[in-house]
Amino acid sequence: DARVTQTPRHKVTEMGQEVTMRCQPILGHNTVFWYRQTMMQGLELLAYFRNRAPLDDSGMPKDRFSAEMPDATLATLKIQPSEPRDSAVYFCASGFDAFRGQGHITNYGYTFGSGTRLTVV
Amino acid sequence: KNQVEQSPQSLIILEGKNCTLQCNYTVSPFSNLRWYKQDTGRGPVSLTIMTFSENTKSNGRYTATLDADTKQSSLHITASQLSDSASYICVVGVNSGAGSYQLTFGKGTKLSVIP
Repeated sequence: DARVTQTPRHKVTEMGQEVTMRCQPILGHNTVFWYRQTMMQGLELLAYFRNRAPLDDSGMPKDRFSAEMPDATLATLKIQPSEPRDSAVYFCASGFDAFRGQGHITNYGYTFGSGTRLTVV
Repeated sequence: KNQVEQSPQSLIILEGKNCTLQCNYTVSPFSNLRWYKQDTGRGPVSLTIMTFSENTKSNGRYTATLDADTKQSSLHITASQLSDSASYICVVGVNSGAGSYQLTFGKGTKLSVIP
């Protein structure tokens, strides 16, 4: 089965350090999403890319977070500097946006990776 | 504001019993509704996806229903198994009409199936 691969699975780092999380989307998917999950907030959208271009990153703290897609096989989420409140599980998901005219979009797929559990101490 | 509310927050049932999870949404314009299963320590896995024209969809022992008029969905699990213990997340898709597509997530129902 095709799957979304995230690395690392776990990361423990000290406050102030840079953290980089990586995601390999499913081949052929044109959309990539980054989500953060905490017990209190559930799943929150951080960034949304289509064809490697950012469409929505309004959920991401811009002063410390950045998301990029250097190529179609790699998406990265970087936190610099990290803070204890960033501790969460970060999920990447990929899917396929199909355009159906008049601006209507249907998304297929939405396969999630296994996540990166980040702990900032 | 787009919202997805799930109930109950948590549920404990005996192995072999049936259960129904609820999802109410105030999302517009509605595109589709998905149910995901998330095992502890894993990413969510899609169970069903329904558009507004579909009112029921099954995946093995899981059956999802959708009433687009009342904006309610339910997930029915038949003959529960210990492996059904997980969080079940209701997700509603919105076509923003501005060239982007958004998902609104519920906070999930945590199901525990006990022997």
